[in-house]
Amino acid sequence: AQKITQTQPGMFVQEKEAVTLDCTYDTSDQSYGLFWYKQPSSGEMIFLIYQGSYDEQNATEGRYSLNFQKARKSANLVISASQLGDSAMYFCAMREGLSGGFKTIFGAGTRLFVKA
Amino acid sequence: DTAVSQTPKYLVTQMGNDKSIKCEQNLGHDTMYWYKQDSKKFLKIMFSYNNKELIINETVPNRFSPKSPDKAHLNLHINSLELGDSAVYFCASSQDLLAGGSTDTQYFGPGTRLTVL
Repeated sequence: AQKITQTQPGMFVQEKEAVTLDCTYDTSDQSYGLFWYKQPSSGEMIFLIYQGSYDEQNATEGRYSLNFQKARKSANLVISASQLGDSAMYFCAMREGLSGGFKTIFGAGTRLFVKA
Repeated sequence: DTAVSQTPKYLVTQMGNDKSIKCEQNLGHDTMYWYKQDSKKFLKIMFSYNNKELIINETVPNRFSPKSPDKAHLNLHINSLELGDSAVYFCASSQDLLAGGSTDTQYFGPGTRLTVL
Protein backbone atom coordinates (compact mmCIF):
# COMPACT_ATOMS: atom_id res chain seq x y z
CA ALA A 1 0.00 0.00 0.00
CA GLN A 2 1.18 3.50 -0.77
CA LYS A 3 2.35 5.23 2.36
CA ILE A 4 2.48 8.67 0.78
CA THR A 5 0.10 9.64 -2.00
CA GLN A 6 0.38 12.75 -4.11
CA THR A 7 -2.55 12.62 -6.49
CA GLN A 8 -1.59 15.58 -8.69
CA PRO A 9 1.19 14.68 -11.12
CA GLY A 10 1.10 18.24 -12.48
CA MET A 11 -0.45 21.55 -11.45
CA PHE A 12 -0.67 24.97 -13.05
CA VAL A 13 -1.05 28.20 -11.12
CA GLN A 14 -1.08 31.83 -12.15
CA GLU A 15 1.69 33.99 -10.76
CA LYS A 16 0.69 35.73 -7.51
CA GLU A 17 -2.10 33.26 -6.79
CA ALA A 18 -2.10 30.65 -4.04
CA VAL A 19 -1.85 26.94 -4.80
CA THR A 20 -2.43 23.81 -2.72
CA LEU A 21 -0.48 20.64 -3.36
CA ASP A 22 -2.16 17.55 -1.95
CA CYS A 23 -0.55 14.86 0.16
CA THR A 24 -2.17 12.01 2.06
CA TYR A 25 -0.30 9.51 4.18
CA ASP A 26 -0.88 6.18 5.81
CA THR A 27 0.61 5.14 9.12
CA SER A 28 -0.40 3.38 12.30
CA ASP A 29 2.33 5.13 14.31
CA GLN A 30 1.34 7.82 16.78
CA SER A 31 4.63 9.61 16.33
CA TYR A 32 5.70 10.63 12.85
CA GLY A 33 7.02 13.57 10.90
CA LEU A 34 5.86 15.07 7.63
CA PHE A 35 8.09 17.02 5.27
CA TRP A 36 7.86 18.89 2.01
CA TYR A 37 10.78 19.29 -0.34
CA LYS A 38 11.20 21.29 -3.54
CA GLN A 39 13.28 20.06 -6.45
CA PRO A 40 13.86 22.73 -9.13
CA SER A 41 15.10 21.83 -12.59
CA SER A 42 18.67 22.25 -11.34
CA GLY A 43 18.12 19.05 -9.38
CA GLU A 44 18.88 19.84 -5.76
CA MET A 45 16.44 18.83 -3.02
CA ILE A 46 15.45 21.83 -0.91
CA PHE A 47 13.73 21.37 2.45
CA LEU A 48 10.65 23.59 2.77
CA ILE A 49 8.62 22.73 5.85
CA TYR A 50 8.17 20.18 8.65
CA GLN A 51 5.15 19.11 10.70
CA GLY A 52 5.40 16.79 13.67
CA SER A 53 2.45 14.54 14.42
CA TYR A 54 2.07 16.05 17.89
CA ASP A 55 2.24 19.64 16.69
CA GLU A 56 -1.16 21.20 17.22
CA GLN A 57 -0.57 24.22 15.05
CA ASN A 58 -0.04 24.07 11.32
CA ALA A 59 3.56 24.73 10.35
CA THR A 60 4.38 27.89 8.41
CA GLU A 61 7.62 29.04 6.78
CA GLY A 62 7.33 32.30 4.88
CA ARG A 63 5.03 31.73 1.91
CA TYR A 64 4.72 28.02 2.70
CA SER A 65 2.21 26.57 5.09
CA LEU A 66 1.28 23.00 5.80
CA ASN A 67 -2.43 22.27 6.18
CA PHE A 68 -2.25 19.35 8.62
CA GLN A 69 -5.47 17.41 9.09
CA LYS A 70 -4.54 14.50 11.30
CA ALA A 71 -7.88 12.70 11.28
CA ARG A 72 -7.94 12.75 7.51
CA LYS A 73 -4.22 11.91 7.32
CA SER A 74 -3.51 14.76 4.99
CA ALA A 75 -0.63 17.21 4.91
CA ASN A 76 -1.24 19.57 2.04
CA LEU A 77 1.30 22.25 1.14
CA VAL A 78 -0.06 25.73 0.50
CA ILE A 79 2.12 28.18 -1.39
CA SER A 80 0.82 31.73 -1.21
CA ALA A 81 1.55 34.44 -3.79
CA SER A 82 3.19 32.07 -6.29
CA GLN A 83 6.32 33.23 -8.03
CA LEU A 84 7.88 32.06 -11.29
CA GLY A 85 10.72 30.56 -9.27
CA ASP A 86 8.26 28.24 -7.54
CA SER A 87 8.05 26.15 -10.73
CA ALA A 88 9.54 22.83 -9.62
CA MET A 89 8.79 19.29 -8.44
CA TYR A 90 7.41 19.12 -4.92
CA PHE A 91 7.74 16.02 -2.79
CA CYS A 92 5.82 15.12 0.34
CA ALA A 93 7.59 12.74 2.72
CA MET A 94 6.85 10.94 5.98
CA ARG A 95 9.14 9.60 8.66
CA GLU A 96 7.51 7.05 10.96
CA GLY A 97 8.59 6.66 14.55
CA LEU A 98 10.76 8.88 16.69
CA SER A 99 14.13 8.30 15.17
CA GLY A 100 15.64 9.40 11.93
CA GLY A 101 16.85 5.86 11.68
CA PHE A 102 13.38 4.91 10.59
CA LYS A 103 12.72 5.14 6.89
CA THR A 104 11.54 8.35 5.36
CA ILE A 105 9.22 7.58 2.48
CA PHE A 106 8.68 10.00 -0.34
CA GLY A 107 5.64 10.51 -2.51
CA ALA A 108 5.83 10.45 -6.30
CA GLY A 109 5.88 14.23 -6.46
CA THR A 110 3.82 16.99 -8.04
CA ARG A 111 5.24 19.15 -10.78
CA LEU A 112 4.14 22.75 -10.35
CA PHE A 113 4.12 25.19 -13.26
CA VAL A 114 3.73 28.89 -12.44
CA LYS A 115 2.39 30.94 -15.35
CA ALA A 116 3.31 34.59 -15.87
CA ASP B 1 30.06 26.66 3.95
CA THR B 2 28.33 23.84 2.04
CA ALA B 3 26.24 21.72 4.41
CA VAL B 4 26.14 18.39 2.53
CA SER B 5 28.53 17.93 -0.36
CA GLN B 6 28.93 15.11 -2.83
CA THR B 7 31.60 14.33 -5.36
CA PRO B 8 31.54 13.93 -8.22
CA LYS B 9 28.49 15.79 -9.52
CA TYR B 10 28.51 13.83 -12.76
CA LEU B 11 29.85 10.34 -13.39
CA VAL B 12 29.84 8.69 -16.79
CA THR B 13 31.26 5.20 -16.99
CA GLN B 14 31.12 1.91 -18.84
CA MET B 15 29.19 -1.16 -17.78
CA GLY B 16 31.20 -3.45 -15.57
CA ASN B 17 33.32 -0.72 -14.01
CA ASP B 18 33.58 0.01 -10.29
CA LYS B 19 32.98 3.55 -9.05
CA SER B 20 32.64 5.48 -5.80
CA ILE B 21 30.65 8.53 -4.76
CA LYS B 22 31.75 10.51 -1.73
CA CYS B 23 29.58 12.43 0.69
CA GLU B 24 30.49 14.76 3.52
CA GLN B 25 28.34 16.81 5.89
CA ASN B 26 29.49 19.63 8.15
CA LEU B 27 26.21 19.99 10.05
CA GLY B 28 27.29 17.82 12.98
CA HIS B 29 24.47 15.36 12.23
CA ASP B 30 24.68 11.78 13.39
CA THR B 31 22.62 10.09 10.67
CA MET B 32 23.43 9.92 6.97
CA TYR B 33 21.57 8.39 4.04
CA TRP B 34 21.88 7.38 0.43
CA TYR B 35 18.90 7.72 -1.91
CA LYS B 36 18.42 6.78 -5.54
CA GLN B 37 16.22 8.90 -7.79
CA ASP B 38 15.18 7.19 -10.99
CA SER B 39 14.25 8.72 -14.32
CA LYS B 40 10.63 9.11 -13.19
CA LYS B 41 11.88 11.21 -10.25
CA PHE B 42 10.92 8.54 -7.73
CA LEU B 43 13.14 8.84 -4.66
CA LYS B 44 13.94 5.69 -2.72
CA ILE B 45 16.15 5.16 0.29
CA MET B 46 19.03 2.75 -0.10
CA PHE B 47 20.99 2.96 3.15
CA SER B 48 21.07 4.82 6.42
CA TYR B 49 23.93 5.10 8.90
CA ASN B 50 23.71 6.36 12.46
CA ASN B 51 27.00 7.12 14.18
CA LYS B 52 28.85 5.03 11.61
CA GLU B 53 26.54 2.04 12.10
CA LEU B 54 24.35 0.70 9.33
CA ILE B 55 20.70 0.91 10.42
CA ILE B 56 18.73 0.77 7.20
CA ASN B 57 19.66 -1.46 4.31
CA GLU B 58 16.92 -1.63 1.74
CA THR B 59 16.71 -4.32 -0.90
CA VAL B 60 19.72 -3.12 -2.79
CA PRO B 61 22.04 -5.39 -4.83
CA ASN B 62 25.15 -6.25 -2.88
CA ARG B 63 27.16 -4.59 -5.63
CA PHE B 64 26.37 -1.43 -3.66
CA SER B 65 28.44 -1.06 -0.52
CA PRO B 66 28.28 1.99 1.73
CA LYS B 67 31.16 2.91 4.00
CA SER B 68 31.16 5.39 6.84
CA PRO B 69 34.66 6.16 8.09
CA ASP B 70 33.26 8.71 10.56
CA LYS B 71 30.02 10.49 11.39
CA ALA B 72 30.63 13.20 8.82
CA HIS B 73 31.26 10.93 5.84
CA LEU B 74 29.27 8.30 4.02
CA ASN B 75 30.65 6.96 0.77
CA LEU B 76 28.96 4.69 -1.74
CA HIS B 77 30.93 2.16 -3.74
CA ILE B 78 29.33 0.39 -6.66
CA ASN B 79 30.87 -2.70 -8.25
CA SER B 80 30.21 -4.09 -11.71
CA LEU B 81 28.02 -1.21 -12.82
CA GLU B 82 24.94 -2.05 -14.87
CA LEU B 83 22.79 0.03 -17.20
CA GLY B 84 19.98 0.05 -14.63
CA ASP B 85 22.22 1.78 -12.12
CA SER B 86 21.94 4.99 -14.13
CA ALA B 87 20.18 7.47 -11.85
CA VAL B 88 20.78 10.43 -9.60
CA TYR B 89 22.17 9.45 -6.21
CA PHE B 90 21.55 11.74 -3.28
CA CYS B 91 23.29 11.79 0.05
CA ALA B 92 21.45 13.33 3.00
CA SER B 93 21.99 13.86 6.70
CA SER B 94 19.83 14.52 9.74
CA GLN B 95 20.07 14.82 13.50
CA ASP B 96 18.30 12.00 15.31
CA LEU B 97 15.37 13.20 17.47
CA LEU B 98 16.41 10.77 20.18
CA ALA B 99 19.86 12.37 20.15
CA GLY B 100 18.45 15.82 20.83
CA GLY B 101 17.48 17.12 17.43
CA SER B 102 14.39 19.35 17.37
CA THR B 103 13.34 17.84 14.09
CA ASP B 104 15.07 15.17 12.08
CA THR B 105 14.81 17.04 8.83
CA GLN B 106 17.04 15.53 6.21
CA TYR B 107 19.29 17.90 4.33
CA PHE B 108 20.33 16.73 0.91
CA GLY B 109 23.52 17.01 -1.06
CA PRO B 110 23.42 18.30 -4.65
CA GLY B 111 23.19 14.80 -6.12
CA THR B 112 25.46 12.75 -8.37
CA ARG B 113 24.15 11.94 -11.81
CA LEU B 114 25.48 8.52 -12.74
CA THR B 115 25.28 7.42 -16.36
CA VAL B 116 26.28 3.89 -17.25
CA LEU B 117 26.97 3.30 -20.93
